[in-house]
Amino acid sequence: EAGVVQSPRYKIIEKKQPVAFWCNPISGHNTLYWYRQNLGQGPELLIRYENEEAVDDSQLPKDRFSAERLKGVDSTLKIQPAELGDSAVYLCASSGTLLYNEQFFGPGTRLTVL
Amino acid sequence: GNSVTQMEGPVTLSEEAFLTINCTYTATGYPSLFWYVQYPGEGLQLLLKATKADDKGSNKGFEATYRKETTSFHLEKGSVQVSDSAVYFCALKGSGGYQKVTFGTGTKLQVIP
Repeated sequence: EAGVVQSPRYKIIEKKQPVAFWCNPISGHNTLYWYRQNLGQGPELLIRYENEEAVDDSQLPKDRFSAERLKGVDSTLKIQPAELGDSAVYLCASSGTLLYNEQFFGPGTRLTVL
Repeated sequence: GNSVTQMEGPVTLSEEAFLTINCTYTATGYPSLFWYVQYPGEGLQLLLKATKADDKGSNKGFEATYRKETTSFHLEKGSVQVSDSAVYFCALKGSGGYQKVTFGTGTKLQVIP
């Protein structure tokens, strides 16, 4: 079974530029998560989707971050414009519908903003 | 709110040494507790979990016991291998309906031959 796929794996941009990350969850997983992991820290949830609906986006900085999950499968996370402090690893995870279902993580996209 | 505190790393051990990584938590009710492992260049993988007090989670020789009286979930392994070198994250998920997972800051383990 294929795992969670993310692309690109690495991205280097200059500040004020836009950037987008893509995630393809495990087939059949209705719940999709985006996390940000700063250097030396644990992941922090940005947004959670149940199918195509964003059910928890309380930690998403909405002035510059946006996300979508059209058709309830793939998802895109966008930053526009990027700031130096956005440098981090952006992780995507997915899980099934049961309450204690394990979250499966992708390898992440390492973003460097110069 | 919920929080997880784990020992700072890096932890450096010789092969076959005994491993303990401490983790304590703050949460209301009866959270579920997890240990995740992150190998270099990879995403997090669930290593083990415990969903109620006194449960012991185990996998790949690692163990952790949910201690409600001390609000702890320490990770142990009797004999580490070089392949265990990774970053280990303690995490909790609150009880009652959907709750997000709260992660600790991670502990890097280096096992030398």
